[in-house]
Amino acid sequence: DSGVTQTPKHLITATGQRVTLRCSPRSGDLSVYWYQQSLDQGLQFLIQYYNGEERAKGNILERFSAQQFPDLHSELNLSSLELGDSALYFCASSAPTGGYGYTFGSGTRLTVV
Amino acid sequence: DAKTTQPNSMESNEEEPVHLPCNHSTISGTDYIHWYRQLPSQGPEYVIHGLTSNVNNRMASLAIAEDRKSSTLILHRATLRDAAVYYCILRGGDYGGSQGNLIFGKGTKLSVKP
Repeated sequence: DSGVTQTPKHLITATGQRVTLRCSPRSGDLSVYWYQQSLDQGLQFLIQYYNGEERAKGNILERFSAQQFPDLHSELNLSSLELGDSALYFCASSAPTGGYGYTFGSGTRLTVV
Repeated sequence: DAKTTQPNSMESNEEEPVHLPCNHSTISGTDYIHWYRQLPSQGPEYVIHGLTSNVNNRMASLAIAEDRKSSTLILHRATLRDAAVYYCILRGGDYGGSQGNLIFGKGTKLSVKP
């Protein structure tokens, strides 16, 4: 157990649907990051939150959104799903400075059919 | 854009040391050098990080060049479980800002032969 909890582990849904992925960061970490990894692709940074505020956006589609709640857990919302959204979605948390490592969750595998 | 350069792949024999190189010629004074690894179908795993001095932990050692433009991750005795993709990433030191994000490149795929 890395300390970062992601639920659900697996999700199968149909095209056009909407899903929510949840992430609980490691205790004490204020920053949460979301990444997408498609089959045989690299890790793409999606979005960063720090203590409830959005801090940085990467390659996140407009159909995707995220938020971080007062208890610091985060949710990634994916809507109007397409086949190409099938991927592993990872959440990571960290103290927000370079002197600390990221801790990643085990990911949510999303399959869009 | 990844600011580091790594070989696409490397091979090692089990129980031998492995030296994984990384070039980061545009590193700034506040950038930390981070290494992560990812096993198939798993989330990335933190390995080690450093700023200027060489670092050791239970997993590996990190050797940083004096000019900080390159670094080497050293696995002292490779095992089959070390077969993974290894990522060398620069992480900015700003507090809560976007420069602190980890942007992953393609990494080095390490194969370990028994």
